[in-house]
Amino acid sequence: EAGVAQSPRYKIIEKRQSVAFWCNPISGHATLYWYQQILGQGPKLLIQFQNNGVVDDSQLPKDRFSAERLKGVDSTLKIQPAKLEDSAVYLCASSSAGPDTQYFGPGTRLTVL
Amino acid sequence: RKEVEQDPGPFNVPEGATVAFNCTYSNSASQSFFWYRQDCRKEPKLLMSVYSSGNEDGRFTAQLNRASQYISLLIRDSKLSDSATYLCVVNREPNSGGSNYKLTFGKGTLLTVNP
Repeated sequence: EAGVAQSPRYKIIEKRQSVAFWCNPISGHATLYWYQQILGQGPKLLIQFQNNGVVDDSQLPKDRFSAERLKGVDSTLKIQPAKLEDSAVYLCASSSAGPDTQYFGPGTRLTVL
Repeated sequence: RKEVEQDPGPFNVPEGATVAFNCTYSNSASQSFFWYRQDCRKEPKLLMSVYSSGNEDGRFTAQLNRASQYISLLIRDSKLSDSATYLCVVNREPNSGGSNYKLTFGKGTLLTVNP
């Protein structure tokens, strides 16, 4: 079974630029999550989708971050404009049912200069 | 108080040692608990679920004390390959049916097992 796919794996941008990340969850997984993991911290949930609807975006900085999940499969996370403090690994995860079935992708490492 | 707090670490232990990680959580509504493992520059992976009074999987034992809102992970006979960051994770399950699970991760504790 193929895992969660993410791209790009690495991205370096300057502050105030825009960036987008892509995630393809495990086939058949209805729930998709985006996490932000800053160095030395645990992952922090940014947004959670159930199919193509948002169920939790309470920790998403909506003034600069946006996410969508078209057709309930792939998802993109965008940052516009980026700030220095956005430097982190952005992890996508998906699950089919309970929380112990949540699988993470390899992440996108973002560096904002 | 942070929602999930772990030992700050890092822990450096010799091979064969027993090491224990501690975690406390603040939300008494939390329903289920997990330990994840994260290797350097890799994604987190589920190590163990912790249900009811705890469980054991080979060299790993997880304990839960709901009254104290405390979770632990014990690794016996540690191996070099156990070197990783261990993340304590709690979940507040939805009030009704569905999959609106909210996992909250601790900062993690770095373990290095030395030869």
